[in-house]
Amino acid sequence: EVQLVESGGGLVQPGGSLRLSCAASGFGVSSNFMNWVRQAPGKGLQWVSVIYSGGRAYYADSVKGRFTVSRDNSKNILYLQMNSLRAEDTAVYYCARGGDSAMVNVNWFDPWGQGTLVTVS
Amino acid sequence: EIVMTQSPATLSVSPGERVTLSCRASQTVSSNVAWYQQKPGQAPRLLIYSRSTRATGIPARFSGSGYGTEFTLTISSLQSEDFAVYYCQQYDNWPPITFGQGTRLEIK
Repeated sequence: EVQLVESGGGLVQPGGSLRLSCAASGFGVSSNFMNWVRQAPGKGLQWVSVIYSGGRAYYADSVKGRFTVSRDNSKNILYLQMNSLRAEDTAVYYCARGGDSAMVNVNWFDPWGQGTLVTVS
Repeated sequence: EIVMTQSPATLSVSPGERVTLSCRASQTVSSNVAWYQQKPGQAPRLLIYSRSTRATGIPARFSGSGYGTEFTLTISSLQSEDFAVYYCQQYDNWPPITFGQGTRLEIK
């Protein structure tokens, strides 16, 4: 079964750091686009970051320079290092698998993890 | 950045009714649109990708259509478990990947 399980969320003060983890099973994180998406309380979905199989990464403007996505292929885990956190980063963070990153126009998200809550206060 | 605009924001419908949700892109996204369903306290679930392809396990009452800038998600006969928030997403021109703001289906 393909599954994603996030961890690492919690309460952090403004300016602090946190590292989220997303453990994958049933597939390899190195073979697909792997994304982070967040949802502020009561709000909609906001894409945060993507990492390609080759390691290239992109970020939303709102987190560029503060967040870094990475992965450990041997452990099959995706990470999101979040630095210089702000109140507006408060959200549930989801990891989500995209398509095969060797293909084009396949970055729809399936499955999603259950999410981990980050509160900056 | 491509802006995805969903309408209406909220839709009150009765079980058994047919409902159509709309999503408009600020520029063409070809057929590269997905739809998600999210229930309270749960992660989003993929319903439709590539405009009209149902994801694994999604019932046939869900269908997607459209091309370019106008897209629709239709639920042919609403079941009680379908009351949720629905999001469209474009993955044609990114980064950034963008979502609509969501349409909430509520029971009339």
